[in-house]
Amino acid sequence: DTAVSQTPKYLVTQMGNDKSIKCEQNLGHDTMYWYKQDSKKFLKIMFSYNNKELIINETVPNRFSPKSPDKAHLNLHINSLELGDSAVYFCASSQKQGGGYTFGSGTRLTVV
Amino acid sequence: GESVGLHLPTLSVQEGDNSIINCAYSNSASDYFIWYKQESGKGPQFIIDIRSNMDKRQGQRVTVLLNKTVKHLSLQIAATQPGDSAVYFCAEIRTNAGKSTFGDGTTLTVKP
Repeated sequence: DTAVSQTPKYLVTQMGNDKSIKCEQNLGHDTMYWYKQDSKKFLKIMFSYNNKELIINETVPNRFSPKSPDKAHLNLHINSLELGDSAVYFCASSQKQGGGYTFGSGTRLTVV
Repeated sequence: GESVGLHLPTLSVQEGDNSIINCAYSNSASDYFIWYKQESGKGPQFIIDIRSNMDKRQGQRVTVLLNKTVKHLSLQIAATQPGDSAVYFCAEIRTNAGKSTFGDGTTLTVKP
């Protein structure tokens, strides 16, 4: 069983569209995250949720809205997609905040 | 501001040689450090961790060294194999604050 699974794996869409990426973890972890990895492989945290509560909200355009219906799920909705949003987005979870992460396999978003 | 950096963005070694990947961090409050390995098309995977009250920790073919005096962390891989080719990230964690920062990543290429 995949510990942290995110869908879709690939997403190609046009500028201006709205899209969602879903993430689920079956590890029983309390904390979930969204990271963005750019073309230079730099990993930057976007959001962190602990038990469905938003903990970290880094400087991210408000076109990005995370939603956590329960502590096993953290979805990412993106409105009005822009070319600069093209990146790989990773979901991760940890037992506690700032602990060792388990990452999903990533969603490669390409905005054309 | 806080930063976690790696000294070299790329490292190329011959199969069978030892590899050393370095990381410098700036936050003296960091009390936990992790090395991750990211293979092409996959999410980062945990390799080894070390707490700030230690200066060395060994795993299978990997050793992490921590020098808190100069805020330096290194990952040593013994007898490097082609399967070790990947991007390696260090992460520093402040467990009390529940925050972490990833370094930029070093791409390790193992030549047969």
